[in-house]
Amino acid sequence: DVKVTQSSRYLVKRTGEKVFLECVQDMDHENMFWYRQDPGLGLRLIYFSYDVKMKEKGDIPEGYSVSREKKERFSLILESASTNQTSMYLCASTNWTSGSYNEQFFGPGTRLTVL
Amino acid sequence: GENVEQHPSTLSVQEGDSAVIKCTYSDSASNYFPWYKQELGKGPQLIIDIRSNVGEKKDQRIAVTLNKTAKHFSLHITETQPEDSAVYFCAEALKTSYDKVIFGPGTSLSVIP
Repeated sequence: DVKVTQSSRYLVKRTGEKVFLECVQDMDHENMFWYRQDPGLGLRLIYFSYDVKMKEKGDIPEGYSVSREKKERFSLILESASTNQTSMYLCASTNWTSGSYNEQFFGPGTRLTVL
Repeated sequence: GENVEQHPSTLSVQEGDSAVIKCTYSDSASNYFPWYKQELGKGPQLIIDIRSNVGEKKDQRIAVTLNKTAKHFSLHITETQPEDSAVYFCAEALKTSYDKVIFGPGTSLSVIP
């Protein structure tokens, strides 16, 4: 079974703190993604990575950065957490093939509250 | 830009009845339409998908239909069971440098025993 794990299920931080969310996948997938999930807005892409040390901005990258030092690990960083970053954060991974689409495998999510 | 609308936002059905969720997409270049199911406390999981060269696809109690001309696609669940209760997301996907997936806002389905 594909497994995507996230370091925390629940996290409470204070405004201005630096926050690290970690994601690890065990299927040797090239692509990894960070989404945030908010009621009524679905899943919105923050950043994705298609290879080690490679990253690209998604639709809502402001206030976030990412790091991919190893293929299996993709970290989301909030440099200075703000209350509007309170949300559910979902990590996903997938293979990439040129001729077809591939299923995205999601972690269980991290519910972050910024006070 | 790409946008996926999804209706209804909440849906309650009696066990055994059918449930239908409808989506509309905006980008005519999209050619892959996955549906994800998110159970409480878990991440979304792919349950069925359809490609643009197919009008309908069925997998046991779930089916998807696609009308590319109208840019509509729908999920149909028959003989609903309590374990079908979840949030369902439709999505459109584009083949760019990566598989860009645009998700709808989700439908919370409750199946009442």
